[in-house]
Amino acid sequence: KNEVEQSPQNLTAQEGEFITINCSYSVGISALHWLQQHPGGGIVSLFMLSSGKKKHGRLIATINIQEKHSSLHITASHPRDSAVYICAVDSNRDDKIIFGKGTRLHILP
Amino acid sequence: DAGITQSPRHKVTETGTPVTLRCHQTENHRYMYWYRQDPGHGLRLIHYSYGVKDTDKGEVSDGYSVSRSKTEDFLLTLESATSSQTSVYFCAISEQGGPYEQYFGPGTRLTVT
Repeated sequence: KNEVEQSPQNLTAQEGEFITINCSYSVGISALHWLQQHPGGGIVSLFMLSSGKKKHGRLIATINIQEKHSSLHITASHPRDSAVYICAVDSNRDDKIIFGKGTRLHILP
Repeated sequence: DAGITQSPRHKVTETGTPVTLRCHQTENHRYMYWYRQDPGHGLRLIHYSYGVKDTDKGEVSDGYSVSRSKTEDFLLTLESATSSQTSVYFCAISEQGGPYEQYFGPGTRLTVT
């Protein structure tokens, strides 16, 4: 079983919809990251969080340490939000980052 | 954007040939990482460096070696490339290890025929 699981694997939505991507993990962590990867493009860090909630523009990330779960929300989604969103955790065990397989998001105009 | 470049950006090579990928940073960050990204897998750590001449293995290090003779450069070498090493390779940097933000390079697409 993967130590970091994301759901859904793929998501298609209409422009303007509220989007939620979920991440569950099974190891002890010191922090959780959300990353964005555009088609054919590089990887950009969106958030790093260890508790509570962070907001940047239309993006919101939350984490529940007790439940070992995080969500990434996108409000008023736009076609330019189409990308792969990757969840990653800093493991307490060995200071390494463990990556999820990503969620492919496609926003239709 | 963090100053990270990778070279080459694309490479096609034959099985059995040596290949070296270069990661160059202008941020003076202590930690540098090499990952590979393959369909159906998350990013997987190949090797990382925590200082000049200080390196350690990641989860998929077999068939790869690294060197870091200067803070700004981290080289990944495939001594004898195999088709299973066809992948997209990303370099990343961070100020420290552990829970610090990582900044990624643009990636190198390597095809081994």
